[in-house]
Amino acid sequence: DTGVSQDPRHKITKRGQNVTFRCDPISEHNRLYWYRQTLGQGPEFLTYFQNEAQLEKSRLLSDRFSAERPKGSFSTLEIQRTEQGDSAMYLCASSEQGSRHMETQYFGPGTRLLVL
Amino acid sequence: RKEVEQDPGPFNVPEGATVAFNCTYSNSASQSFFWYRQDCRKEPKLLMSVYSSGNEDGRFTAQLNRASQYISLLIRDSKLSDSATYLCVVNRPFTGGGNKLTFGTGTQLKVEL
Repeated sequence: DTGVSQDPRHKITKRGQNVTFRCDPISEHNRLYWYRQTLGQGPEFLTYFQNEAQLEKSRLLSDRFSAERPKGSFSTLEIQRTEQGDSAMYLCASSEQGSRHMETQYFGPGTRLLVL
Repeated sequence: RKEVEQDPGPFNVPEGATVAFNCTYSNSASQSFFWYRQDCRKEPKLLMSVYSSGNEDGRFTAQLNRASQYISLLIRDSKLSDSATYLCVVNRPFTGGGNKLTFGTGTQLKVEL
């Protein structure tokens, strides 16, 4: 157990509904990332927070997706008007600010979303 | 062309065998390199970092060739518990801090009795 938790672990929703996922990072970690993983693929980067600031967003993050980290601790990822193509595992990772490129990102167990 | 390419496998090997995985990356701006392990329906976990000088951790050896943009992982004396998907990962730092990990599709390993 890396200490990153995500809720819910599974979500089934109907197309067109909104869903929200939560991530609680390891407590002393100021960096938080969201990734998406579809079947047979590796995780793909979605967005990055340093403390409460959202500093990077992937082009994969359409305008139906929004992420927040209001107090620099937990983060939420909301998907509006879900589509079947949004079905995937949504992974959160956190890290401690350290040497420029050798930091370790620790992943949570993921939220598995199925859009019917 | 994908930024990180791996043979998806599966590699089916007997217990005790030596198995090697290869990976190529296309972005020469990549700064650091890793192998992650992912068990079925679980999250990825860091297996080891990869350095140009090569590094070893028990039965696992990783190598990086920056000139060829090639990364490898060697597993010796494979165990049943090594069965998993092995993800090749490259990292590019963001300008303002933080790091973007780009994952390959993963290579599936099945170790059999």
